[in-house]
Amino acid sequence: KNEVEQSPQNLTAQEGEFITINCSYSVGISALHWLQQHPGGGIVSLFMLSSGKKKHGRLIATINIQEKHSSLHITASHPRDSAVYICAAYTGNQFYFGTGTSLTVIP
Amino acid sequence: GAVVSQHPSRVICKSGTSVKIECRSLDFQATTMFWYRQFPKQSLMLMATSNEGSKATYEQGVEKDKFLINHASLTLSTLTVTSAHPEDSSFYICANGIPDMNTEAFFGQGTRLTVV
Repeated sequence: KNEVEQSPQNLTAQEGEFITINCSYSVGISALHWLQQHPGGGIVSLFMLSSGKKKHGRLIATINIQEKHSSLHITASHPRDSAVYICAAYTGNQFYFGTGTSLTVIP
Repeated sequence: GAVVSQHPSRVICKSGTSVKIECRSLDFQATTMFWYRQFPKQSLMLMATSNEGSKATYEQGVEKDKFLINHASLTLSTLTVTSAHPEDSSFYICANGIPDMNTEAFFGQGTRLTVV
C-alpha cells in the first residue's frame, strides 16, 4: 500500500466544471503539498498546507489532519488547467508522492 | 520567489557515455537537495538526498557509483549518470529540502534523458 493515495487517477471535465481531487496519506506529516506537472514534465508547487484551507485564484486546497485527508478543488475549470496534479506528503525529512491525477478539461 | 533551475531540460546521449544534470538554487541557499526519477505514468521516486559539503544519501537499490551526486556549494547540486544505458532513460527532477514549516518546496524543471 502506498503512503499517499490519490483519487481519481484520471479525470475529464467540461470547461467551467468544479473539480475535486482527493488525497489520503498514512504517514505523519509536517506539511502536505499539491503539485502541478505539465505535459513537458516541469513541476510547480501549488500549495503547502499544514492545516485548514488555502485559496489561490480558482484553486482551493483543504486538509483534515485528524482524518489524514486533503482535497484540491478547481473552480470554473479551464483547458489550461489540464495537467497532472500530484499530492505530496512531507514528513520532515522526505516526500511521499501520490501517483497523480491526470486532468483533462475539454473546451 | 525562490527558484530551482535545472539544466539541461532534454538530453540524448549514446550508451556508455556520461551525462551531468545540474540544479541551481537561484535566490536561496539549499543545504539539501532531493533527486527524483520518474518513469512514464508513475510517481516520483526518491533516488538520493544530497547534502552540501558531505556525501549524498542514496535510497535502497540506487547505485551510488552509477548516479554520482555532488553538492559542493549551497547553490549547486549535480547528478551525473555514468556509463548510461537505455534503461537509464527517464525523467530526472530535483527539489530543495525543506528546513522548516515556512519553507516552500521548489522543484527543478526536470531533465528528460534518452539513452540510445
